[in-house]
Amino acid sequence: ETGVTQTPRHLVMGMTNKKSLKCEQHLGHNAMYWYKQSAKKPLELMFVYNFKEQTENNSVPSRFSPECPNSSHLFLHLHTLQPEDSALYLCASSQEHTANTEAFFGQGTRLTVV
Amino acid sequence: GQQLNQSPQSMFIQEGEDVSMNCTSSSIFNTWLWYKQDPGEGPVLLIALYKAGELTSNGRLTAQFGITRKDSFLNISASIPSDVGIYFCAGHPPDSSNTGKLIFGQGTTLQVKP
Repeated sequence: ETGVTQTPRHLVMGMTNKKSLKCEQHLGHNAMYWYKQSAKKPLELMFVYNFKEQTENNSVPSRFSPECPNSSHLFLHLHTLQPEDSALYLCASSQEHTANTEAFFGQGTRLTVV
Repeated sequence: GQQLNQSPQSMFIQEGEDVSMNCTSSSIFNTWLWYKQDPGEGPVLLIALYKAGELTSNGRLTAQFGITRKDSFLNISASIPSDVGIYFCAGHPPDSSNTGKLIFGQGTTLQVKP
């Protein structure tokens, strides 16, 4: 148990579907992140939120839409995805959104787009 | 963009052997973190390094922050079967001071033969 919980653990969706990934952290952290992990590639940062405000969008396509209603919850809304978007999506949190801070990860959502 | 080169890509060792892996970059990093990821799970933080030259241990694990701030290594002593997994280095580049952005290496896959 890392204190960061992601649901669902697995998701299969068609290219015309709309779905959402959920992340909740129980660590009292102020910053939350979405990362994408594709096969044979390093983890890629997608979005950063600090105190509910988005502070980084790493050139992510608009078919991925994040939402952070409070410091404990983070969503990733998915719409009209492509098969190449299939990957492990990881949520992380840290005390602050600065350097010299440790990020703790959830177990991830394995997404398959068909 | 900044990249971390992690080596070796994979290792297959005998139980009881020591293991060493490293990460290098052409640019400096402010922080080095080492994570382990088991299949189907998110990365788990093993060791965090904050100062150039810092040497830190966590049980059988030892990691060092290179004096040039461009590299780090992780050693595992007396390996056991549960050490199997993928080990990632990660670092905070200087431009992450306001985002907490982490750059990840490609990972080292470790297999341990009983």
